[in-house]
Amino acid sequence: DVKVTQSSRYLVKRTGEKVFLECVQDMDHENMFWYRQDPGLGLRLIYFSYDVKMKEKGDIPEGYSVSREKKERFSLILESASTNQTSMYLCASSSLSSGAMYEQYFGPGTRLTVT
Amino acid sequence: AQSVTQLGSHVSVSEGALVLLRCNYSSSVPPYLFWYVQYPNQGLQLLLKYTTGATLVKGINGFEAEFKKSETSFHLTKPSAHMSDAAEYFCAVGETSGSRLTFGEGTQLTVNP
Repeated sequence: DVKVTQSSRYLVKRTGEKVFLECVQDMDHENMFWYRQDPGLGLRLIYFSYDVKMKEKGDIPEGYSVSREKKERFSLILESASTNQTSMYLCASSSLSSGAMYEQYFGPGTRLTVT
Repeated sequence: AQSVTQLGSHVSVSEGALVLLRCNYSSSVPPYLFWYVQYPNQGLQLLLKYTTGATLVKGINGFEAEFKKSETSFHLTKPSAHMSDAAEYFCAVGETSGSRLTFGEGTQLTVNP
């Protein structure tokens, strides 16, 4: 079974704090993704990575950065948290093999509240 | 870029009734199409996918979806709803380059006893 784990299920941070969200997958997947989920907006892609040390901006990268130093780990960083970053954050991974391309496996999510 | 439209942000059915969740997509090439389900306080789980071949795709928990190219649709159905089907459902399409998925806004399914 593919397993994607996220470091926290719930997180409460103060405005201006630096926030790290960690994601680990155990299936040797090349691709990893960070989304935020807000009611009525579905899932919006923040950043993704297709290899170690590689990253690509998604649709809403402003206010976020990412790090991928190891294949299994993909971190999302909020440099200076703001209240409009209160959201559910979902990590996902997928393989580059042709038969499984696009099929993403998701972690349980981190519900971040910024006060 | 691709786009996905899910008609109806909330759908309510009675237990035992037909479930129909609508999804339309825009794509300039034959698409890869997916339905995911999200139960409360959980991540997304793959229900079914269409890549090539048979246009009627069967998934887990009795769900199925039919790819209709002429209508650019990929509607999700289940003949008889169960209380445990209450969840949020997301339709997604694979982008033409890379491994990205574009998701619809989601449909919250309520099943009434």
